Amino acid sequence: AQSVAQPEDQVNVAEGNPLTVKCTYSVSGNPYLFWYVQYPNRGLQFLLKYITGDNLVKGSYGFEAEFNKSQTSFHLKKPSALVSDSALYFCAVSPNTGFQKLVFGTGTRLLVSP
Amino acid sequence: DGGITQSPKYLFRKEGQNVTLSCEQNLNHDAMYWYRQDPGQGLRLIYYSQIVNDFQKGDIAEGYSVSREKKESFPLTVTSAQKNPTAFYLCASSTGQGRFLNTEAFFGQGTRLTVV
Repeated sequence: AQSVAQPEDQVNVAEGNPLTVKCTYSVSGNPYLFWYVQYPNRGLQFLLKYITGDNLVKGSYGFEAEFNKSQTSFHLKKPSALVSDSALYFCAVSPNTGFQKLVFGTGTRLLVSP
Repeated sequence: DGGITQSPKYLFRKEGQNVTLSCEQNLNHDAMYWYRQDPGQGLRLIYYSQIVNDFQKGDIAEGYSVSREKKESFPLTVTSAQKNPTAFYLCASSTGQGRFLNTEAFFGQGTRLTVV
């Protein structure tokens, strides 16, 4: 069965500094990988996905993520953090064969200080 | 605007009552999902439906029921058999056929259910 690990419950970064939110996964075969963001009492908003092709994926709001097959990782990055980036971030994975459940990590809270 | 709408936003349930959470989408998506969110546990799949008149249990289906009579609608009933129903419930939908999980899921704004 597939699984996702987000090892950090919280990441703190100063505005203007680069940020990284970590995600590792386990899945049979090749993965589909996703990042979502959640603001308080709201649903999840899609940020970006890796399906195939380039390992560096660019998404919404200046975020990007790098797929690393050997390390089974899909870390979310942004070169310069904004206070408005403060939110809860979820990584998700599914296998790329047929219909499989989309499995989410436990989430990482990002706090960007002014 | 196209999107996915959940109602109500807040719902209070007495012990022993069944309640139904509404989820409607006008995105013409085939697949719909219900997730439960608890602090520190991420999202857990309750039920999903790949097509009208068909649905499957997810990881935590006990105490819940669903129907999919229309493509646009996927209501979730939280029954009295669900022992710990207080949570944030999220509905989602996605498009495509077959391997449709290679497309992203769109989420509603959620319903916060509290047992009183």
